[in-house]
Amino acid sequence: KQEVTQIPAALSVPEGENLVLNCSFTDSAIYNLQWFRQDPGKGLTSLLLIQSSQREQTSGRLNASLDKSSGRSTLYIAASQPGDSATYLCAVSPYSGAGSYQLTFGKGTKLSVIP
Amino acid sequence: DAGVIQSPRHEVTEMGQEVTLRCKPISGHDYLFWYRQTMMRGLELLIYFNNNVPIDDSGMPEDRFSAKMPNASFSTLKIQPSEPRDSAVYFCASSFRGGRADTQYFGPGTRLTVL
Repeated sequence: KQEVTQIPAALSVPEGENLVLNCSFTDSAIYNLQWFRQDPGKGLTSLLLIQSSQREQTSGRLNASLDKSSGRSTLYIAASQPGDSATYLCAVSPYSGAGSYQLTFGKGTKLSVIP
Repeated sequence: DAGVIQSPRHEVTEMGQEVTLRCKPISGHDYLFWYRQTMMRGLELLIYFNNNVPIDDSGMPEDRFSAKMPNASFSTLKIQPSEPRDSAVYFCASSFRGGRADTQYFGPGTRLTVL
């Protein structure tokens, strides 16, 4: 059974700092990996999706990398801003035609960016 | 587009009562997912539908839970009878296979409290 772990559970940084969030998964046979953002009282918003054949994806100040063989992904946030404060979740889907939609989520890292 | 719509946003009920959660997916999306989020277990997939047909309900915790999708624009998740351990935030999400099929768009969630 796939397990996804995110460390740390919470992180507090001053504004402007670059930071890295970590995600690890136990089964490397994945179809893709996604990073989501969740704001309090709201649903999840997809930030980046990395296919299993890719090494990284970038969107603005966000960069996500994937090392499938070691079962790890990182989300790099450059020049953090208070508006980045949220919980960031990592999710993987198994390598299966029908099962590629069955996301397994980590419990998230709660990020606080202090002005 | 209004995004995924869920109702009610908050539900407080007493143990033993029937609870019905509702979801309207994004128009044109052909996949619909129901998730449950708790502090202890994180975000878990309960069931998902493709073209209104349930594909995998292995995440449904007990027979007390049931889900239906009578048409492409509406789905329900029913708990009967409800128990205090069912207290959680329930999310609905939808996606479109023809586009970024693996990107799921989440609703704002229904916070359920069973007393």
